Amino acid sequence: NAGVTQTPKFQVLKTGQSMTLQCAQDMNHEYMSWYRQDPGMGLRLIHYSVGAGITDQGEVPNGYNVSRSTTEDFPLRLLSAAPSQTSVYFCASSLDFYTGELFFGEGSRLTVL
Amino acid sequence: DAKTTQPTSMDCAEGRAANLPCNHSTISGNEYVYWYRQIHSQGPQYIIHGLKNNETNEMASLIITEDRKSSTLILPHATLRDTAVYYCIVRSVNTGTASKLTFGTGTRLQVTL
Repeated sequence: NAGVTQTPKFQVLKTGQSMTLQCAQDMNHEYMSWYRQDPGMGLRLIHYSVGAGITDQGEVPNGYNVSRSTTEDFPLRLLSAAPSQTSVYFCASSLDFYTGELFFGEGSRLTVL
Repeated sequence: DAKTTQPTSMDCAEGRAANLPCNHSTISGNEYVYWYRQIHSQGPQYIIHGLKNNETNEMASLIITEDRKSSTLILPHATLRDTAVYYCIVRSVNTGTASKLTFGTGTRLQVTL
């Protein structure tokens, strides 16, 4: 099994551009989420989903959009990139919403100029 | 969720046991203690979790005090590959929000020769 796969691993954007970070898992997990991590800080929750068709906001949702049309995929969209969104983004999944055992992807490093 | 307090950094000699403390004095009865680690630039990795009994798996042991106000993660024979940031997280599983983990800044463990 591949686990949680994120693409791309690295991306450079200009201010105002849009892009989508992809996240896919092959473990049939119901719960998926996106975190961002800035230097010297812990991970902050952006958005999460408890199943296909259901999404909700986390701690820092502004400037990001998500959808969950399938169990496997949970893309994160940056609508109009800003330098403040320069960060490392991690996707995570778990079997369901009741377990704290998360499986993380390897991260996507985004730089907004 | 109960707040956790961890030392900012610790050192450990390779081959020796690494004991990482965590204080969670406001923990409530239905909250579990989770431990994750993050090796440089990688996604966090689940290590272990427990409620009130001591737990052991192939990676580590978790010792929770009888009053549950603190815990210790033990890596019995630390290696250089255990150098990472270790996160202690307290989370309730009863409310169905267990997967919404909040990561603080953790303890940076440096294993040396």
